[in-house]
Amino acid sequence: GENVEQHPSTLSVQEGDSAVIKCTYSDSASNYFPWYKQELGKRPQLIIDIRSNVGEKKDQRIAVTLNKTAKHFSLHITETQPEDSAVYFCVGGRGYGQNFVFGPGTRLSVLP
Amino acid sequence: NAGVTQTPKFRILKIGQSMTLQCAQDMNHNYMYWYRQDPGMGLKLIYYSVGAGITDKGEVPNGYNVSRSTTEDFPLRLELAAPSQTSVYFCASSYALTSGEQETQYFGPGTRLLVL
Repeated sequence: GENVEQHPSTLSVQEGDSAVIKCTYSDSASNYFPWYKQELGKRPQLIIDIRSNVGEKKDQRIAVTLNKTAKHFSLHITETQPEDSAVYFCVGGRGYGQNFVFGPGTRLSVLP
Repeated sequence: NAGVTQTPKFRILKIGQSMTLQCAQDMNHNYMYWYRQDPGMGLKLIYYSVGAGITDKGEVPNGYNVSRSTTEDFPLRLELAAPSQTSVYFCASSYALTSGEQETQYFGPGTRLLVL
């Protein structure tokens, strides 16, 4: 089955700097890669996703890149703000069920 | 639309007690999921369902049971609560085409369970 690794586990950046979180996946058949943000005590919420037929996707300050050959994908947050502080999860998946696997998460702290 | 709803929000159980965590969605999604999230950890899949009457095990199914009698509801049953089941439980739903292409999973607000 799919295995998703995520790095770093914790990340601290100064407000206004950029943050990058990297994930790798093992199943070459995976074709859907969403990113979720989870604030303390809240539910995970989708912030951006990318499919395997696209190499890059951007939504305002957030972008995701996908390298299918290397089987890794990354989340880029520019001009970070204190409200970006949260735990971010990458997901590798295809189809449904056990083929939708969460990474262990990255705790991002944006320091004022 | 209410989206995905879960009840209760919080529950304390004694060891050996049973309970059912309720989950409902009003988005006409065919896929539904149950995850658990231990403190400071990621989400682990307990059970999932691809439609009414169809369920399957995830990564950590032991100690739990599910049923899916309708498209909207997907309850999770704990038969003999153990301290190891102390966790936050999230229900999620998504729509997937018959080809199996995954769509976004939407999560409920979670149920915090403490087993003492």
